[in-house]
Amino acid sequence: NAGVTQTPKFRVLKTGQSMTLLCAQDMNHEYMYWYRQDPGMGLRLIHYSVGEGTTAKGEVPDGYNVSRLKKQNFLLGLESAAPSQTSVYFCASSYSIAGGADGYTFGSGTRLTVV
Amino acid sequence: AQSVTQPDIHITVSEGASLELRCNYSYGATPYLFWYVQSPGQGLQLLLKYFSGDTLVQGIKGFEAEFKRSQSSFNLRKPSVHWSDAAEYFCAVTGTASKLTFGTGTRLQVTL
Repeated sequence: NAGVTQTPKFRVLKTGQSMTLLCAQDMNHEYMYWYRQDPGMGLRLIHYSVGEGTTAKGEVPDGYNVSRLKKQNFLLGLESAAPSQTSVYFCASSYSIAGGADGYTFGSGTRLTVV
Repeated sequence: AQSVTQPDIHITVSEGASLELRCNYSYGATPYLFWYVQSPGQGLQLLLKYFSGDTLVQGIKGFEAEFKRSQSSFNLRKPSVHWSDAAEYFCAVTGTASKLTFGTGTRLQVTL
């Protein structure tokens, strides 16, 4: 009954460091998403994937890269972290791009601080 | 482009009082509409959804929402709020082939 699992849950980076956030889902969903959540701005889509081996840009893709080598995993990379990337990052997955009957299933988030 | 407006950033209600959270959307065709709830430090949980049919939809935890096409609204309601309902609530919209777009959220505080 895992659903969507994100690792790590917390991380502090120095400006210029790189890191990868991992998202894993066990629901056999085709679609996966990375959002960032900032106060007063709701959730904004960074990148998404419509299936294994595919990725696409969302609203705020600059400074991030993603990969979907396996259907169950969706990785979000920060090549050179900046303070503006301090945020809470959420991964989500869904059966269809519109969410379908179950909507999107979200992970519990990764709180990233860039100093 | 699709968009969602939640005009209330923060709402405070007394426990036992009724609640209505507002949501207005912009979408060119018939939308799919959702309400999610986020408790502190947690991810988002689906409360309810509207795809078609009956415009009054029931969700979990005693919540309901009404789709009003003429007003482009999908307001969330609960007859009697419990202290455990304190959380942030997000309205979201999508189409049949579109990604979910979220509003900026409404934070609900419940006083005892």
